[in-house]
Amino acid sequence: AQKITQTQPGMFVQEKEAVTLDCTYDTSDQSYGLFWYKQPSSGEMIFLIYQGSYDEQNATEGRYSLNFQKARKSANLVISASQLGDSAMYFCAMREYTSGATNKLIFGTGTLLAVQP
Amino acid sequence: DGGITQSPKYLFRKEGQNVTLSCEQNLNHDAMYWYRQDPGQGLRLIYYSQIVNDFQKGDIAEGYSVSREKKESFPLTVTSAQKNPTAFYLCASSWDRGSQPQHFGDGTRLSIL
Repeated sequence: AQKITQTQPGMFVQEKEAVTLDCTYDTSDQSYGLFWYKQPSSGEMIFLIYQGSYDEQNATEGRYSLNFQKARKSANLVISASQLGDSAMYFCAMREYTSGATNKLIFGTGTLLAVQP
Repeated sequence: DGGITQSPKYLFRKEGQNVTLSCEQNLNHDAMYWYRQDPGQGLRLIYYSQIVNDFQKGDIAEGYSVSREKKESFPLTVTSAQKNPTAFYLCASSWDRGSQPQHFGDGTRLSIL
């Protein structure tokens, strides 16, 4: 069964330091995509980064990078040079491409990141 | 500016009452979705629609209904059959292509009076 696991309910990081948010997934599909979203206290969900299962390179978007280890089924988000505005809830999500509902996203329970000055 | 508009931002429901949450998008996206978020939890899919006049149940559809009469609109009705409706509701839309991310509205917070 498809599942996303985020084992860190909350994390602290010092401003300007890097932080890694963990995400492991379970799927029997060979073709899938992994997404990370940020949810500030205001509630909206902001798309950060995407990794396809067949992408050979790890995805990067500015200060965000995805440490994709396919054999271990992990897709950790790395935020470099943390800023106070990075304090938010972060969700990992997965979409399977070979099952019937190709746009259905499965979300993890999230990690609350607090950046300290 | 293109985006997704959810209204109202806050909504209160009385016992036995149906309420409707609005979701409009001007991104020309094919697919639209409704999610429910409870405190400290991730998002759970209620309903989704990949094309006008067609929609499918998600994981927690009981007590909810939707319609998709126009491409840009996907309203969600929380019926009196939904016994625990207090939650944060998020609407999203996307292109109907797998690698495209879903874009979200700002959400509606529903509470029981």
